[in-house]
Amino acid sequence: AQSVAQPEDQVNVAEGNPLTVKCTYSVSGNPYLFWYVQYPNRGLQFLLKYITGDNLVKGSYGFEAEFNKSQTSFHLKKPSALVSDSALYFCAVRRTTSGTYKYIFGTGTRLKVLA
Amino acid sequence: GAVVSQHPSWVICKSGTSVKIECRSLDFQATTMFWYRQFPKQSLMLMATSNEGSKATYEQGVEKDKFLINHASLTLSTLTVTSAHPEDSSFYICSARKAGFRNEQFFGPGTRLTVL
Repeated sequence: AQSVAQPEDQVNVAEGNPLTVKCTYSVSGNPYLFWYVQYPNRGLQFLLKYITGDNLVKGSYGFEAEFNKSQTSFHLKKPSALVSDSALYFCAVRRTTSGTYKYIFGTGTRLKVLA
Repeated sequence: GAVVSQHPSWVICKSGTSVKIECRSLDFQATTMFWYRQFPKQSLMLMATSNEGSKATYEQGVEKDKFLINHASLTLSTLTVTSAHPEDSSFYICSARKAGFRNEQFFGPGTRLTVL
């Protein structure tokens, strides 16, 4: 079964410090991995994705993620956190069932950036 | 672009009534749309996959007679919560698959349903 795990319910980081939000995955075949951000009472906003190619993926708002096949991880990172980055972050894997793509989401990690 | 809208953004209804939520792809055609449900402080759970012109495919444990899905056109899918009860209160999010765009899904802003 394909799944993603986000081991941390919440991550606190001081503004200006680097941040990491962890994600590990379990898939058969090549993984299609995604990061989304959700602000309160809002839908999901796409941050970045890994399909193939360079292991370091750059996305929106200065975020990046590193695909590590040996560790089956896809951690989200940002060199310098902003208070406005405080939100709920979801890692997702895309799987194919009967020719239809479906997303499996992790449980989410709440990021809190402290001023 | 790839914009998905939902209407209404929030709705409050009495127990026993039905509520319809619309999901529209504004600038692309979506052969497939997805409906998710999100409980407070929890992840998104896929409820059903909706294909234009055919019956929706529901995930295990989702009552198809409770959550009616109609995908009448390439830009519109609707979710109707029938005979709503307080336990149906949740945040409902749709997404639309954009063909030819690596088949990515684009998410709507969500609809918060509160059943009194």
